[in-house]
Amino acid sequence: DQQVKQNSPSLSVQEGRISILNCDYTNSMFDYFLWYKKYPAEGPTFLISISSIKDKNEDGRFTVFLNKSAKHLSLHIVPSQPGDSAVYFCAAGYGNKLVFGAGTILRVKS
Amino acid sequence: EAQVTQNPRYLITVTGKKLTVTCSQNMNHEYMSWYRQDPGLGLRQIYYSMNVEVTDKGDVPEGYKVSRKEKRNFPLILESPSPNQTSLYFCASSFQRVLSYNEQFFGPGTRLTVL
Repeated sequence: DQQVKQNSPSLSVQEGRISILNCDYTNSMFDYFLWYKKYPAEGPTFLISISSIKDKNEDGRFTVFLNKSAKHLSLHIVPSQPGDSAVYFCAAGYGNKLVFGAGTILRVKS
Repeated sequence: EAQVTQNPRYLITVTGKKLTVTCSQNMNHEYMSWYRQDPGLGLRQIYYSMNVEVTDKGDVPEGYKVSRKEKRNFPLILESPSPNQTSLYFCASSFQRVLSYNEQFFGPGTRLTVL
């Protein structure tokens, strides 16, 4: 039972355009959501997070949107850069429970 | 430099041969955990520790053991590895004990193959 789903295994975007990565969750107990980025041969690194009391959080080129009624969150990267090419994991949790999605491979073409 | 280190980075072994993957962090973090990453399944938590001598099972603990005798170290032990434990393993640490509200710092990963 996958409680956190990233339905797009991969996404290809032109440099300078917007990248939108999506994530759906099923457990209504989740109240905190995070995005991690992973380059090959490295561990994941934290990117941005949002709590359930907000519907948007911005950090530079990265914005996370949360739609609690739809149990959906998305990560927007604007403008996309070749260095953003990586695997992106969303994670959802409450207390000491944290569940990761399977990841989406983002390729930004120059 | 603040970091989480894991050793070895790559390991090929045979079924039943005990092995240990070490993990060490230099950030004085309370919380440490182990994950495995498999295609299509994302990161799944194996075990975690909220402090020295305090460990608990994650979502996929079968076939693994851990210990936390010092704050900085959290080794993962496979007493009798089997091929279904072939995976990419990550150690992670976090400053605070409530996991989901805090970012975790991950090690570089250990690619384990069990023949």
